Amino acid sequence: GAGVSQSPRYKVAKRGQDVALRCDPISGHVSLFWYQQALGQGPEFLTYFQNEAQLDKSGLPSDRFFAERPEGSVSTLKIQRTQQEDSAVYLCASSFSSGGGDEQFFGPGTRLTVL
Amino acid sequence: AQSVSQHNHHVILSEAASLELGCNYSYGGTVNLFWYVQYPGQHLQLLLKYFSGDPLVKGIKGFEAEFIKSKFSFNLRKPSVQWSDTAEYFCAVNALRDSSYKLIFGSGTRLLVRP
Repeated sequence: GAGVSQSPRYKVAKRGQDVALRCDPISGHVSLFWYQQALGQGPEFLTYFQNEAQLDKSGLPSDRFFAERPEGSVSTLKIQRTQQEDSAVYLCASSFSSGGGDEQFFGPGTRLTVL
Repeated sequence: AQSVSQHNHHVILSEAASLELGCNYSYGGTVNLFWYVQYPGQHLQLLLKYFSGDPLVKGIKGFEAEFIKSKFSFNLRKPSVQWSDTAEYFCAVNALRDSSYKLIFGSGTRLLVRP
């Protein structure tokens, strides 16, 4: 189907390594969101793109986290010098327009484990 | 800061029992409200949403939710659950004043329905 896809689905990193997580939103969706979901918790907002513009990055926990969406479609979330507390599921979601009422369609997530 | 509270972390029911999952949010302005569900091994998907109008919202699979503005609540209900309703349920809010349209999630309720 033409849903949101994310890769890799699982990533194991040694502490201090850099990782890159990819999100392919639904074609034509303007808005793209990244969320972090720790074990036993609900997703927490990281950052928001409208097309290629990153309009809100207030949820990024530190300057080790960086996200981009250079052509307004695929997005990459990069985490530098990973720490154990970065272990979580990283969810990507997209929505058709920039309106607040739009349904956000979620991908399957990338489970990151930092050893 | 906005927050969403889900009071029941784990709920166990027998098939045909009635379900009510509580959700309260803290935000004084206009909000959009959502319930998302995550079935085992699947990604988050929208169950129902409220934007405006009739405060009683009907969603998929026989679920409904009632928005009570005075109580800042958006409880999820189903009159008769099935084994296939076993899943984790998340309540979420976005504030219309928040131009990023990010979702603020509760911590989730794990529902186990026994056959």
